Amino acid sequence: AQSVTQPDIHITVSEGASLELRCNYSYGATPYLFWYVQSPGQGLQLLLKYFSGDTLVQGIKGFEAEFKRSQSSFNLRKPSVHWSDAAEYFCAVGTSYGNKLVFGAGTILRVKS
Amino acid sequence: DTGVSQNPRHKITKRGQNVTFRCDPISEHNRLYWYRQTLGQGPEFLTYFQNEAQLEKSRLLSDRFSAERPKGSFSTLEIQRTEQGDSAMYLCASSDPQVNEQFFGPGTRLTVL
Repeated sequence: AQSVTQPDIHITVSEGASLELRCNYSYGATPYLFWYVQSPGQGLQLLLKYFSGDTLVQGIKGFEAEFKRSQSSFNLRKPSVHWSDAAEYFCAVGTSYGNKLVFGAGTILRVKS
Repeated sequence: DTGVSQNPRHKITKRGQNVTFRCDPISEHNRLYWYRQTLGQGPEFLTYFQNEAQLEKSRLLSDRFSAERPKGSFSTLEIQRTEQGDSAMYLCASSDPQVNEQFFGPGTRLTVL
């Protein structure tokens, strides 16, 4: 069965610093990969997704992620973090088009000024 | 397009009572998903519909849980004889089959006393 691991429960970065959130997945075939963000009291918002093609994908709010098949990873990055980026971030894998998603446990991002 | 809506946003009930939640998907989205999210965890898949057909149910969905989507539009999730372990955020999402992206509602937070 597919699974997602987000090794970091909490990450704290200074405003303006770069950010990388780690995500490792387990799935035998080519996965559909997603990053979502959840702010307190808000629903999950899709940041970006990877299906095929270019392994570096761009998303909203200045985020990007790189798919590395050899490492089974899909890490999320942002070159300069803003205070408004403080939220919880979830990596998810889908095993077929339009099918259910399997989520990681999430990483809580804190931004210090 | 007003997005996915869920009602109620909060529900407090006593153990043993039945509760029902409603989800209204984005219009013309024929897929509808239910997930459950407990504190400190990512969302866990419960079930999904394509139009009015329930295509998959998770093992998490015990016989106390039932979901319906009678006319292929809104959906209801009912929990009978609630238990304290049912306390969680219940999330609904919908998707267009042409676009592999699930749009999430704000969730219904259930507290079982």
